[in-house]
Amino acid sequence: SQTIHQWPATLVQPVGSPLSLECTVEGTSNPNLYWYRQAAGRGLQLLFYSVGIGQISSEVPQNLSASRPQDRQFILSSKKLLLSDSGFYLCALTGNYGYTFGSGTRLTVV
Amino acid sequence: GNSVTQMEGPVTLSEEAFLTINCTYTATGYPSLFWYVQYPGEGLQLLLKATKADDKGSNKGFEATYRKETTSFHLEKGSVQVSDSAVYFCALSDFQGAQKLVFGQGTRLTINP
Repeated sequence: SQTIHQWPATLVQPVGSPLSLECTVEGTSNPNLYWYRQAAGRGLQLLFYSVGIGQISSEVPQNLSASRPQDRQFILSSKKLLLSDSGFYLCALTGNYGYTFGSGTRLTVV
Repeated sequence: GNSVTQMEGPVTLSEEAFLTINCTYTATGYPSLFWYVQYPGEGLQLLLKATKADDKGSNKGFEATYRKETTSFHLEKGSVQVSDSAVYFCALSDFQGAQKLVFGQGTRLTINP
C-alpha cells in the first residue's frame, strides 16, 4: 500500500529563518504530490502540486516554494519565514489507491 | 471557484448521542464529495465518499448523502463513541491537471463518556 512520510511533526522557527519540510513516498511510482496548509480557523488550502519530477504548480501566491528533485520526494521551502506562514502543513499523494496524507507538520513562526 | 462550508466547531457530545455535522458546497460541474477524519496525532484518513447525486457513502456507522438539490453532504452517525473524537473535514474534488481537494475548515468533535 502507498505510504507517505512527513517530518518533523512540530517545528518552531523565528521570523526570517529558512524552512525546509520534506516528505517521501513509498508503495507507488509516479504519484501526483501535493502540499496543503491549514491556517488557524480555516480549511486546508492547496499550496502546490506536482505531476512529475521538476514539475511544480503553485495554487496561491505566497512566501513559499516547492521542489520535487526525485519521483518520491517533495520539499516545501522558504528563504525567510513570516509570521503568517504559521499553520499545519500536510503532504499528500494520489496514486493507485486514491488520496493518502502524511501526518502533518505544525509550524509556529515566532 | 469551488468552495466547501462546514459546520463550525468544536462540537461536544455525550456517548451514544446522535451526530450531525453540516457541510454545503459550491461547485461547477459534478464533483465527488468526501469526508476525511483526523484522529489525534495521525494523518487524514478517508472516512467515506460519494461520487454522484443521491449516492450515500457509509463507513464505521457514519453516513452522508450527496444532495445535489441542496448542495449538501451532511455527516451523520446514530450513536457516537468516545473513539469518534477527532477532527472531521468535508471536501470536494476538483480535477484540473491533477486531482485537487477543496476542504472545509474542519470540525473538532469531542465525545464524553
